[in-house]
Amino acid sequence: QKEVEQDPGPLSVPEGAIVSLNCTYSNSAFQYFMWYRQYSRKGPELLMYTYSSGNKEDGRFTAQVDKSSKYISLFIRDSQPSDSATYLCAMSSTLENTDKLIFGTGTRLQVFP
Amino acid sequence: EPEVTQTPSHQVTQMGQEVILRCVPISNHLYFYWYRQILGQKVEFLVSFYNNEISEKSEIFDDQFSVERPDGSNFTLKIRSTKLEDSAMYFCASKVEQGNTIYFGEGSWLTVV
Repeated sequence: QKEVEQDPGPLSVPEGAIVSLNCTYSNSAFQYFMWYRQYSRKGPELLMYTYSSGNKEDGRFTAQVDKSSKYISLFIRDSQPSDSATYLCAMSSTLENTDKLIFGTGTRLQVFP
Repeated sequence: EPEVTQTPSHQVTQMGQEVILRCVPISNHLYFYWYRQILGQKVEFLVSFYNNEISEKSEIFDDQFSVERPDGSNFTLKIRSTKLEDSAMYFCASKVEQGNTIYFGEGSWLTVV
């Protein structure tokens, strides 16, 4: 079983739609959960950072973490064509004396006008 | 907004040649990283560096790789004798303290021919 699994997409939605992006993971030691946005041939840009379980909202973005199900989500409300990118989930743990990020494969999102 | 800067943005090198990729992390950050992303694949951890020494490295980071912080600002990744399979986007990243969020640079695209 892969440590972090993410549907690669592509996910194609009309402008204004609500987008749901998800990752599952197997390592119960993960405590820090992040979503990055990556445009083609560019570096990952941090969108959301969550520690442990719960929800976090920032503008049109909401991140959810359900540690009991080992499942994290990113919701994008009122999606815009400029949101078209690859969305990477990433997670890490310091319980095992490591802070390296383990990434999902990324989900490609296309928002069409 | 402070950012991680990387040079060069793109380098083409012949197999067997040495390559040095350079990074200037965010100025008050203390933890430094290199990740890589082979085209079409996930972002993978290479090495972390703290207090002037390697704190963790992955299986990918073999004897052909080395990192250095020669002065107070630059952080470099050296590949001693490049192989075709080293062709990838290399990302430098940094963070201010343990448990905090990691910020990535725009990447250096390395092509080995």
